[in-house]
Amino acid sequence: GDSVTQMEGPVTLSEEAFLTINCTYTATGYPSLFWYVQYPGEGLQLLLKATKADDKGSNKGFEATYRKETTSFHLEKGSVQVSDSAVYFCALDNTDKLIFGTGTRLQVFP
Amino acid sequence: EAQVTQNPRYLITVTGKKLTVTCSQNMNHEYMSWYRQDPGLGLRQIYYSMNVEVTDKGDVPEGYKVSRKEKRNFPLILESPSPNQTSLYFCASSLSPGSGSTDTQYFGPGTRLTVL
Repeated sequence: GDSVTQMEGPVTLSEEAFLTINCTYTATGYPSLFWYVQYPGEGLQLLLKATKADDKGSNKGFEATYRKETTSFHLEKGSVQVSDSAVYFCALDNTDKLIFGTGTRLQVFP
Repeated sequence: EAQVTQNPRYLITVTGKKLTVTCSQNMNHEYMSWYRQDPGLGLRQIYYSMNVEVTDKGDVPEGYKVSRKEKRNFPLILESPSPNQTSLYFCASSLSPGSGSTDTQYFGPGTRLTVL
């Protein structure tokens, strides 16, 4: 069945460092891909999405490109801030539901 | 303000004592869903609803019930809770379901349930 695999965390970075969180997927057809973010004590919020191959989703300095050839949707940010500390979930749309990865915790220190 | 609300936010209960977690959305969304979040497992769907009076099982429905009598409300019912249902629960809604839907799902703030 369809699935999403994310890199294990936590990812620990200093402020202004470059961030990459890897995400690969297995799916039949051409799903839409999403990154959701969960700040401490809160629900998930959509960060960005891409609906077809080679699409780039972007928001708040974060970017991810839908790579069909490598079945990947890696999340990147050029310069992280302390306020980016959160758990990040990669997900794909499968008919009637979202299929989530296990989440990657990001900790950014000043 | 567009939002999904859940109540209670925190609940400690004992095995076998029936409980209900409420979920309400004010965006006139057709699609609503319940997830549970467990360490190392991400979010797993419990039940979903395409519209009023239409509900279906997700990946982990055992031990749960839902109802959708009104469009805005989608309560999650645990008839006889057990310790393995200790988890963080999220309700979500979106404008429409369907294959290939790219509609954003809006999540509630979560309900942390502990079953002793």
